[in-house]
Amino acid sequence: QVQLQQSGPGLVKPSQTLSLTCVISGDSVSSDSVAWSWIRQSPSRGLEWLGRTYYRSKWYIDYAVSVKSRVIINPDTSKNQFSLQLSSVTPEDTAVYYCAREGAPSGTYSRGAFDIWGQGTVVTVSS
Amino acid sequence: DIVMTQTPLSSPVTLGQPASISCRSSQSLVHSDGNTYLSWLQQRPGQPPRLLIHRISNRFSGVPDRVSGSGAGTDFTLKISRVEAEDVGVYYCMQATQFPFTFGQGTRLEIK
Repeated sequence: QVQLQQSGPGLVKPSQTLSLTCVISGDSVSSDSVAWSWIRQSPSRGLEWLGRTYYRSKWYIDYAVSVKSRVIINPDTSKNQFSLQLSSVTPEDTAVYYCAREGAPSGTYSRGAFDIWGQGTVVTVSS
Repeated sequence: DIVMTQTPLSSPVTLGQPASISCRSSQSLVHSDGNTYLSWLQQRPGQPPRLLIHRISNRFSGVPDRVSGSGAGTDFTLKISRVEAEDVGVYYCMQATQFPFTFGQGTRLEIK
């Protein structure tokens, strides 16, 4: 059974860097049939995809243009996890942050099929 | 970015009656590989979203067959043939054809 366990601080000061980690159990961050994303949700912006990483003989990373200048998503094969760093945060970055797996529900990778989600981390940006 | 527009935003339904949610994209969701990457998710209060349907009409494991998806191009529909209490929540369509992946604003399904 695949599970994603998120960790990270719930309060970040403006201008600082938000850092979250998603630990994977029951699957591998290096699996060549899935991808690993970060998604956030706020009342003002709804659900917003931030970016993803995946392995297909080499590592690939895709970012949303809206955060591309501030975001880093990193896989960590030694700990079987992936992380999100969002720099220069403002109160507009206050949201529930989720990690999620883009899986292979029909046996082969299906783009956008977010079949496993982390529990969510409430992050507030405030001084 | 592709804009996903859902209607209605709220849908009060009587138990046992059907429900239907529409989703329209601002551009065609047909990918260059020939697939259409349109998914539907359900979110219950206090929980992360849950995958229901992927690639327009493929039901995810454990999703009852009274839930179905259809559509093509820019117009898509999620149907629940007979609403049950467990169907209460907010439903989202999502496109993964083009970066960035984008979501609809959500449709709240509630029991009358």
